[in-house]
Amino acid sequence: EAGVTQSPTHLIKTRGQQATLRCSPISGHTSVYWYQQALGLGLQFLLWYDEGEERNRGNFPPRFSGRQFPNYSSELNVNALELEDSALYLCASSPPGGSNQPQHFGDGTRLSIL
Amino acid sequence: GDSVTQMEGPVTLSEEAFLTINCTYTATGYPSLFWYVQYPGEGLQLLLKATKADDKGSNKGFEATYRKETTSFHLEKGSVQVSDSAVYFCALSDRTNAGKSTFGDGTTLTVKP
Repeated sequence: EAGVTQSPTHLIKTRGQQATLRCSPISGHTSVYWYQQALGLGLQFLLWYDEGEERNRGNFPPRFSGRQFPNYSSELNVNALELEDSALYLCASSPPGGSNQPQHFGDGTRLSIL
Repeated sequence: GDSVTQMEGPVTLSEEAFLTINCTYTATGYPSLFWYVQYPGEGLQLLLKATKADDKGSNKGFEATYRKETTSFHLEKGSVQVSDSAVYFCALSDRTNAGKSTFGDGTTLTVKP
């Protein structure tokens, strides 16, 4: 079974640019989650998509947005990039079944803002 | 809001030592509790979980018991190995805040031969 895949592995941008990160969930998983793992700050919940809809978002500004496609893959878009957006962005997926289901993580996209 | 507090690291142990990593939580509802592990150079993976009070999750010799009275989910292993060196994250998923998992800051464990 293929795991959660994320692309690109690394992304280098400058301030003010826009970044797009992609995630493909495990086959059969309908929920996709996005997290930011900044140095020294742990994992911060960004967004949850389920069945194509945004179901919940964390305490991040509106320039962090995304979507989920009919095949359940997902994009995270970050507009007007700032230096503090530099972090590892992790995507996770889970099967139907609610909060009892564990999340399966990808290896992440490391976003660096110069 | 929900929160998870983990024992601060890093933790360094000798092989075959006993491991405890403390985790306490605050949640408004009835959370499910998880331990995830991140080995060097890899993504997070589920280690064990418990979905209701007094449940014990176990995997690879690790155990954690969901203690509602003390709002804790401490991770234990009786005899650690060098291969257990990793970062361990405690997390909760609260049914009343659908889809949002809250993670602790992670505890880095180094096991020396």
